[in-house]
Amino acid sequence: GENVEQHPSTLSVQEGDSAVIKCTYSDSASNYFPWYKQELGKGPQLIIDIRSNVGEKKDQRIAVTLNKTAKHFSLHITETQPEDSAVYFCAARVTGGTSYGKLTFGQGTILTVHP
Amino acid sequence: NAGVTQTPKFQVLKTGQSMTLQCAQDMNHEYMSWYRQDPGMGLRLIHYSVGAGITDQGEVPNGYNVSRSTTEDFPLRLLSAAPSQTSVYFCASSWGQGFGGYGYTFGSGTRLTVV
Repeated sequence: GENVEQHPSTLSVQEGDSAVIKCTYSDSASNYFPWYKQELGKGPQLIIDIRSNVGEKKDQRIAVTLNKTAKHFSLHITETQPEDSAVYFCAARVTGGTSYGKLTFGQGTILTVHP
Repeated sequence: NAGVTQTPKFQVLKTGQSMTLQCAQDMNHEYMSWYRQDPGMGLRLIHYSVGAGITDQGEVPNGYNVSRSTTEDFPLRLLSAAPSQTSVYFCASSWGQGFGGYGYTFGSGTRLTVV
């Protein structure tokens, strides 16, 4: 089955700096890659996603890049703010055809943004 | 508000007791799943369902049972609680194949402690 590795496990930055979280996946059939943000005491929330036919996607201060050949994808947060502090999860899923495709998650990254 | 509703939010059980965690969604999603979240382990899939009457096992199914009699509801049953089942449980739903958007919507979680 799919295996998703996420690094780093913790990341500490100063407000205004950029933060990058990296993930690798093992199943070449995976074609959908979402990122989730989880705040304390809440469920994960989808913040951005990318399909395998796209190399990069941006939404304001958040961007995701995908390298299908190397089977890795990354989350980039620019101009970080204290409210970006949370746990971030990457995930991979096979979609299309007759398979509903389970979502496999990375281990999570605790991001702390210091004012 | 449309979304995924989980009850209860908190529960303490004694070893050997049984209980049911409730999950309901009002978005007409075909796909529903249960995850458990443990420190350093990310989110691990327990059971999932691709539609009413259809369920399957995930990564860590032992000690848990599910059923899906309606599109809206997907309860998780702990048959005989063990301390190893102390965790935070999340229910999530999404569209199945053929619909736009593959992101999951998560509930707010149930924090379970088994003593």
